[in-house]
Amino acid sequence: AQKVTQAQTEISVVEKEDVTLDCVYETRDTTYYLFWYKQPPSGELVFLIRRNSFDEQNEISGRYSWNFQKSTSSFNFTITASQVVDSAVYFCALSEEGSQGNLIFGKGTKLSVKP
Amino acid sequence: DAGITQSPRYKITETGRQVTLMCHQTWSHSYMFWYRQDLGHGLRLIYYSAAADITDKGEVPDGYVVSRSKTENFPLTLESATRSQTSVYFCASRDAEKLFFGSGTQLSVL
Repeated sequence: AQKVTQAQTEISVVEKEDVTLDCVYETRDTTYYLFWYKQPPSGELVFLIRRNSFDEQNEISGRYSWNFQKSTSSFNFTITASQVVDSAVYFCALSEEGSQGNLIFGKGTKLSVKP
Repeated sequence: DAGITQSPRYKITETGRQVTLMCHQTWSHSYMFWYRQDLGHGLRLIYYSAAADITDKGEVPDGYVVSRSKTENFPLTLESATRSQTSVYFCASRDAEKLFFGSGTQLSVL
């Protein structure tokens, strides 16, 4: 059965610190997709990244980077030099091929960045 | 504006009443989804639809009904609202393995 675990319920950092949000997933499929979404205090869900299971290259987008490791079934998200605007709930999600696009979400990690 | 629109943004109702949450998308995506978000549970799938007139249950379908007579609309109905259905409801549509979400409807059942 598929499952996504975000063990960190809440993280608090001071601005300019680096922070890593952990995501561990379970799936029996060999083809799957992993996602990160951001939910700021305004409530909308903002897509950040999608990674398919055959692409283990790490990705960097500005201050954001993602580390995908199939060996440990992890897809961790790092924010470098955090800013107050990064304060949000971050969700990791999994979609298996053949699941018709349904995402299985982790419970989210609430990140608070203090000035 | 193109995108996915949910209405109402906020709704307060009483137990036993019927409530319909609306979802409209302008992209003509085939797949649409309804999720509910609750503290400690993240987002859970209620129902989804692969195309007009095709719907299927998700993880937590009890107490909900959906319909999809047109590709662009996917309303969610609570036939007899209960307090346990107090939640934030998100509609989404899918494009190339990526889900796009509406702004959500915050529903309170008193």
